[in-house]
Amino acid sequence: GQSLEQPSEVTAVEGAIVQINCTYQTSGFYGLSWYQQHDGGAPTFLSYNALDGLEETGRFSSFLSRSDSYGYLLLQELQMKDSASYFCAVRDRAAGNKLTFGGGTRVLVKP
Amino acid sequence: KAGVTQTPRYLIKTRGQQVTLSCSPISGHRSVSWYQQTPGQGLQFLFEYFSETQRNKGNFPGRFSGRQFSNSRSEMNVSTLELGDSALYLCASSLEIVGQGRLNEQFFGPGTRLTVL
Repeated sequence: GQSLEQPSEVTAVEGAIVQINCTYQTSGFYGLSWYQQHDGGAPTFLSYNALDGLEETGRFSSFLSRSDSYGYLLLQELQMKDSASYFCAVRDRAAGNKLTFGGGTRVLVKP
Repeated sequence: KAGVTQTPRYLIKTRGQQVTLSCSPISGHRSVSWYQQTPGQGLQFLFEYFSETQRNKGNFPGRFSGRQFSNSRSEMNVSTLELGDSALYLCASSLEIVGQGRLNEQFFGPGTRLTVL
């Protein structure tokens, strides 16, 4: 089976940096994905880490360490529009390749 | 390219009734997945279809069922509705179902908000 743990909520001010951790328990998976969801909206894809290391996409970066069963999403130069929920997800080989999401982290950006 | 569409957007039903939700994936996408989202449980996987075949199923009772048509459009059905079935039901499509890489990127529709009274 698999389980993905994320902090439930993070608060930060504009311009700050936020790191959202995702720890997982699974015997094998394809990669770690991150999705963003604004209130009332649908989740949208942010990033995908197939291999260990850092992937950078503009102000957002994502990191994966398979040996530590750990990944994170880094939000830099926070803007008010970054207030949203962020979900990590894996496609777990041991669970028939089902895509499983973490519980989500609500990020609140304050002026 | 048009995005994923879901109908209806909002639905109110009473306990014991049944409901059918529809999803049209992005053109060319053959994989369709369904999720239930509630404030307390987050995004819960319901099922996944690829080329009309159910490839994966989540831990939901048999009242929840689905199917995919030859044009990749998908429907899910919930019979004998319960109060706890009130949720946002999201459909997502992707190019492929298994493997590594960006082909697994899920494109979500706006969801159907189901309220069971």
